[in-house]
Amino acid sequence: QVTLRESGPALVKPTQTLTLTCTFSGFSLSTSGVSVTWIRQPPGKALEWLARIDWDADKYYSTSLKTRVTISRDTSKNQVVLTMTNMDPVDTATYYCARMTTGYSFDYWGQGTLVTVSS
Amino acid sequence: QSALTQPASVSGSPGQSITISCTGTSSDVGNYNLVSWYQHHPGKAPKLMIYEVIKRPSGISNRFSGSKSGNTASLTISGLQAEDEADYYCCSYSGGGSFHVLFGGGTKLTVL
Repeated sequence: QVTLRESGPALVKPTQTLTLTCTFSGFSLSTSGVSVTWIRQPPGKALEWLARIDWDADKYYSTSLKTRVTISRDTSKNQVVLTMTNMDPVDTATYYCARMTTGYSFDYWGQGTLVTVSS
Repeated sequence: QSALTQPASVSGSPGQSITISCTGTSSDVGNYNLVSWYQHHPGKAPKLMIYEVIKRPSGISNRFSGSKSGNTASLTISGLQAEDEADYYCCSYSGGGSFHVLFGGGTKLTVL
């Protein structure tokens, strides 16, 4: 059974760095073809893809956020970590991690974690 | 890159069929057969319903079907059921020299 769960702070202050952890089970990020991504959704707005990390450690970032976002993995712990620097109130959103599969679709998602940026 | 365009809401009665559109451009929806659809009940994890425009993951009812014409993809739900009431999002690969995907703004489906 594949599961993913996001964890991290619910509240961060402007200019701080956000660190979110995706802990997954039921698959291995060492398996060829497997990728994990981060996606966010600001309140009332569209989903936005943020970053992706592959089984071979290749990384991809949203063009608009690539200067602020870093994705990393710990395959021994089955975790993927997202860091986002210089947080701003516009970054307030529910952050999801998801496994990417065939056709660049996302077959399993976590339930998401709401991050509010406020002083 | 702008989000894909979906209607904000659609509705239908039990047993009826509805279609949700997802309009992009020739750089994304129109150029790749890599459109997926997600069902999202608030507070729960989004669920993959359709991938590669027309394919259904194992366990997804055949009441859900996908199609594409030009720059517009569509999700059709037939035989509407109360549990289909949810938000639906489309997604398309958009290439551009590196990996990138775009999502739609979401459509709220109400089963009357």
